Amino acid sequence: DGGITQSPKYLFRKEGQNVTLSCEQNLNHDAMYWYRQDPGQGLRLIYYSQIVNDFQKGDIAEGYSVSREKKESFPLTVTSAQKNPTAFYLCASSTGQGSGETQYFGPGTRLLVL
Amino acid sequence: QKEVEQNSGPLSVPEGAIASLNCTYSDRGSQSFFWYRQYSGKSPELIMFIYSNGDKEDGRFTAQLNKASQYVSLLIRDSQPSDSATYLCAVLSNDYKLSFGAGTTVTVRA
Repeated sequence: DGGITQSPKYLFRKEGQNVTLSCEQNLNHDAMYWYRQDPGQGLRLIYYSQIVNDFQKGDIAEGYSVSREKKESFPLTVTSAQKNPTAFYLCASSTGQGSGETQYFGPGTRLLVL
Repeated sequence: QKEVEQNSGPLSVPEGAIASLNCTYSDRGSQSFFWYRQYSGKSPELIMFIYSNGDKEDGRFTAQLNKASQYVSLLIRDSQPSDSATYLCAVLSNDYKLSFGAGTTVTVRA
């Protein structure tokens, strides 16, 4: 059963704590993306990766970090430097073949600050 | 940052009517355009994509693109209660980044 999985579904962060959100895909997609969605707003790009061992900052990368050691996995760490982390985090993937490529989304992780 | 603007809504339509959603974008070099549907608390799911000027139909959905006017729209014919959701317009720029509008919430009244 192919798709994108994200875990956990809900995540609670304490002040000063780093937390890591998991994203795994078995679609054999080259490109993976992390977005943040706040209530009433569209999705904003945090980081993206077009190929293993390479990634680029999106529009709101400050306070976040990523790694892409495997094609299937693109974990996102929300660091203590991110002062307003409460949001719905969405991971997506695509074939990465350029113009026209469609991004497919995982189910999302909702991060809440205690 | 590339701008994608959608009519703010919410849009309320009676069951069986046509829902019309509009989207404008600022990056004239954009090549690909997508409509996603997002139910409350869920992740976006792709409804349609369009690359060429004109209309593209898929079942009850029709996407319309006018690159000269930097405008893309989505029509939902014979609206059903299950169509009640937020619809996100997304635009792929030449650097392969996808920019999203804030979404239009549609409510179909039975």
